[in-house]
Amino acid sequence: GIQVEQSPPDLILQEGANSTLRCNFSDSVNNLQWFHQNPWGQLINLFYIPSGTKQNGRLSATTVATERYSLLYISSSQTTDSGVYFCAVIDSWGKLQFGAGTQVVVTP
Amino acid sequence: DSGVTQTPKHLITATGQRVTLRCSPRSGDLSVYWYQQSLDQGLQFLIQYYNGEERAKGNILERFSAQQFPDLHSELNLSSLELGDSALYFCASSEDSENTEAFFGQGTRLTVV
Repeated sequence: GIQVEQSPPDLILQEGANSTLRCNFSDSVNNLQWFHQNPWGQLINLFYIPSGTKQNGRLSATTVATERYSLLYISSSQTTDSGVYFCAVIDSWGKLQFGAGTQVVVTP
Repeated sequence: DSGVTQTPKHLITATGQRVTLRCSPRSGDLSVYWYQQSLDQGLQFLIQYYNGEERAKGNILERFSAQQFPDLHSELNLSSLELGDSALYFCASSEDSENTEAFFGQGTRLTVV
């Protein structure tokens, strides 16, 4: 099946810093999503972005489908940005497959 | 609020028991997914249903089963529970099976003692 790799696995940021999270996938996809899992375990939809660029406040994402990767940008990070960021894609069998996630800690 | 409802939110049960987790998808969504997330682990895909039919299967144990009913709600049945089954179980829904955004419920936290 499709492989979804996220990097880095862990990220420690000082409040106000910017960062880039990466998601590589091994095959073409029709669907790519970014999620934030907050410290309470809730999975929050960030972006549905099979291709192109989208922005939502301090967050933006870019997917280059032809090169099989997506990037999530966090600007001016805040402590509420802490948590795990997951990338997920639909494989050819219809499964929504998740990467292992990037654990982000934003310190005051 | 994602519009996906999971019940119960928390469940504590003993080893060897059987439990049923329930998921109501967003209005209009035909596809339901189930995931297991053990402590500090990623999300493991269990099974997907589309309009009442099984669409895709992951590493779901034989002790686990699921179904999607005509009203599109879904249930995940876990039997002969073991300590290792303690996890957060998520349900997600989407309009179709491939090309639309999936939304997750708040999860059911299962503790097996």
